[in-house]
Amino acid sequence: AQRVTQPEKLLSVFKGAPVELKCNYSYSGSPELFWYVQYSRQRLQLLLRHISRESIKGFTADLNKGETSFHLKKPFAQEEDSAMYYCALRRTGNQFYFGTGTSLTVIP
Amino acid sequence: GAVVSQHPSRVICKSGTSVKIECRSLDFQATTMFWYRQFPKQSLMLMATSNEGSKATYEQGVEKDKFLINHASLTLSTLTVTSAHPEDSSFYICSARVLAGASYEQYFGPGTRLTVT
Repeated sequence: AQRVTQPEKLLSVFKGAPVELKCNYSYSGSPELFWYVQYSRQRLQLLLRHISRESIKGFTADLNKGETSFHLKKPFAQEEDSAMYYCALRRTGNQFYFGTGTSLTVIP
Repeated sequence: GAVVSQHPSRVICKSGTSVKIECRSLDFQATTMFWYRQFPKQSLMLMATSNEGSKATYEQGVEKDKFLINHASLTLSTLTVTSAHPEDSSFYICSARVLAGASYEQYFGPGTRLTVT
């Protein structure tokens, strides 16, 4: 069965500190992984996807098939990064499965 | 970017009544839309895939007679919660699938807060 796990519900870091939001997945096929972000009082929006191998707002995520992980990282957290972050897996048919989310708070 | 709207943003209804939620793609056509449900402090749970001109595909455990989905046009999908009960109170979110380059992206609506009294 497809599954996305985000072990941390809450994560607090100080401004300027590195941050890593963990995501592990299980999927029998070839996975396509995404990170979505939801800022306060805003809708869910795409942050980045593994196939693009891009850095968005300083965030990067590398798909590690051996460890079945897709952790989101940023070397220096900023206050505006405070938000809810969801890891998602897309299966064939384009349906998405979301993790339970991690609420990131960046302390000034 | 693509914009998806939902209406209403909030609705309160009495137990036993039905309520309809609309999901619209404002500046693009969406052959496929998705409906999610989100309980407080929990993740989004995919309920069904809405396909324009054909029947919706429901996820396991989702009652298709309870949650009626109609995708009659390329810009509108509706979710009707029939004979609503308090346990149906939740945040319902739709998304539309958009082809972006060689891949698909999802754009989400702002959600609809349903409260059944």
